[in-house]
Amino acid sequence: DQQVKQNSPSLSVQEGRISILNCDYTNSMFDYFLWYKKYPAEGPTFLISISSIKDKNEDGRFTVFLNKSAKHLSLHIVPSQPGDSAVYFCAASAGNNNDMRFGAGTRLTVKP
Amino acid sequence: ETGVTQTPRHLVMGMTNKKSLKCEQHLGHNAMYWYKQSAKKPLELMFVYNFKEQTENNSVPSRFSPECPNSSHLFLHLHTLQPEDSALYLCASSQYVMGGTYNEQFFGPGTRLTVL
Repeated sequence: DQQVKQNSPSLSVQEGRISILNCDYTNSMFDYFLWYKKYPAEGPTFLISISSIKDKNEDGRFTVFLNKSAKHLSLHIVPSQPGDSAVYFCAASAGNNNDMRFGAGTRLTVKP
Repeated sequence: ETGVTQTPRHLVMGMTNKKSLKCEQHLGHNAMYWYKQSAKKPLELMFVYNFKEQTENNSVPSRFSPECPNSSHLFLHLHTLQPEDSALYLCASSQYVMGGTYNEQFFGPGTRLTVL
């Protein structure tokens, strides 16, 4: 039962343009959402999060949007840089629960 | 050492072997986790320890046996594994506050396990 889905396994973007990574979830109890970034041979690192009481959270070049009615969130990176090339995981949790559910990841490639 | 460390980074074992994965966190956290990442699949939560007590076991086969001697160390003991258990095993830690806000998890680099 995959409660968090990232339907695009890969995305390629030109440097300087916007990268949009998408994530859908099925569990309406999720109230906290996170994006993690993973480079090869490293563990995932926390990037940005959003609580269900908000619909947008911005941190520098990274913005996460949450659409609760559609059970959809997205990560926008603008402008994209070659160093952003990595696998991005969407994750969700319900009620300060340790049980965090992850998507399968989207591999972003930013071309110079 | 800083953050979350895992040893070994790579492990190849036969189905009859017994081995252990080690995780250590240097962040002063009170919760630790084991995840399994198979190719092109989501990270699967295996075990959760809060304050050294196991609070979650997501239907993991008994051939995987966790141990948490203190809040800084976490082990995953492996025995009689199957080839389909080959995956990246990730350890993570976080600061869990009951009734508080959610705190993100910090991951180690993982152990790449191959079962022959």
